[in-house]
Amino acid sequence: DQQVKQNSPSLSVQEGRISILNCDYTNSMFDYFLWYKKYPAEGPTFLISISSIKDKNEDGRFTVFLNKSAKHLSLHIVPSQPGDSAGYFCAASGGSGNTPLVFGKGTRLSVIA
Amino acid sequence: GAVVSQHPSRVICKSGTSVKIECRSLDFQATTMFWYRQFPKKSLMLMATSNEGSKATYEQGVEKDKFLINHASLTLSTLTVTSAHPEDSSFYICSARGAGYDTQYFGPGTRLTVL
Repeated sequence: DQQVKQNSPSLSVQEGRISILNCDYTNSMFDYFLWYKKYPAEGPTFLISISSIKDKNEDGRFTVFLNKSAKHLSLHIVPSQPGDSAGYFCAASGGSGNTPLVFGKGTRLSVIA
Repeated sequence: GAVVSQHPSRVICKSGTSVKIECRSLDFQATTMFWYRQFPKKSLMLMATSNEGSKATYEQGVEKDKFLINHASLTLSTLTVTSAHPEDSSFYICSARGAGYDTQYFGPGTRLTVL
């Protein structure tokens, strides 16, 4: 049973427009959520995170929104740039500090110039 | 953000040999380290979780005698693939987390090819 789901395997967006990447989760014990960016044959790079006590966190062009009642979070990138083209993985954690992150399967974003 | 390194970045070995991959947290103390494997066009697959000074916890289906994990210090964890076979060829990635923090920082990965 997949606890973290990214239902869109790919997304194409025009340069300068907004990219919205979505993530749903099923485990109500999750209390911390993260987004990672990943290029093929490289390790993921941490982008932004949000705690369950917040509903929004912003860092430059990246904003993460959390809707706890819907068990849904989204990553907004605005304005999108060609360099944003990569894989984006949503991850969640909860419980003890040693709990591993649970990852979604990722969404491949292509930003078209 | 915090920096995690992996060495080597790429290794080719003969079938039956053992390969050691190192994962280091360069600017923080990693109380917990994780080892992942990524298959082509698939998401990261967690192999094991290791806490400094204690035995690693392996995920179901991962052979602990095949994938030896040692987390001897707060900045170093090693993964040794013993008696490697071609099916062990993969991309191995480690991540590290400091005490009291939820964010994991990932290494750049190691591409293992077993001939």
